[in-house]
Amino acid sequence: SAVISQKPSRDICQRGTSLTIQCQVDSQVTMMFWYRQQPGQSLTLIATANQGSEATYESGFVIDKFPISRPNLTFSTLTVSNMSPEDSSIYLCSVMGLPSSYNEQFFGPGTRLTVL
Amino acid sequence: ELKVEQNPLFLSMQEGKNYTIYCNYSTTSDRLYWYRQDPGKSLESLFVLLSNGAVKQEGRLMASLDTKARLSTLHITAAVHDLSATYFCAVDWGSNYQLIWGAGTKLIIKP
Repeated sequence: SAVISQKPSRDICQRGTSLTIQCQVDSQVTMMFWYRQQPGQSLTLIATANQGSEATYESGFVIDKFPISRPNLTFSTLTVSNMSPEDSSIYLCSVMGLPSSYNEQFFGPGTRLTVL
Repeated sequence: ELKVEQNPLFLSMQEGKNYTIYCNYSTTSDRLYWYRQDPGKSLESLFVLLSNGAVKQEGRLMASLDTKARLSTLHITAAVHDLSATYFCAVDWGSNYQLIWGAGTKLIIKP
């Protein structure tokens, strides 16, 4: 597997502000994804972060609310914009395409976001 | 509609017992994943099942895949307390490895 880090690990934010979450991998990977997981719930895919091009968003998620960057094969950011309490959740990045285990998807430790 | 259904959603059992978690899915897929999540933690990859009839085992956990029935099972043998966690199955449905997730099975194993 790979070492995946996310920053920040948690944050408490005010309504109307924005937060950028970083995901860093210690190996080059083919795919990077961003998920949301509300407490006690399952995971929902927000988008696929594409290297060098615009992210591919799932139904119900839009670029204006969740802009994503992926400047290279080891790094991606997710911004949660104009936050409201409904955005309180755990945000997880995942990666796929490691040479040692190409078909497996590995997850970062998550960012726990609370919006007041 | 793409659906992944797990059952049971909650399971409380005694140490030493055997049990099975079921994962049914509605789309054609040859790729199914099982993950474990401990409270307050991220997800740990347990198994990747890539073809019909695939069976994988790790310790007291064994996973299988029947793509014709669109069913995967996660079997727990002689459960121990350390296996208490939430278990998720996920199905790869798209051309770009997007995963659709089950609701999760919260497993509590009592000593």
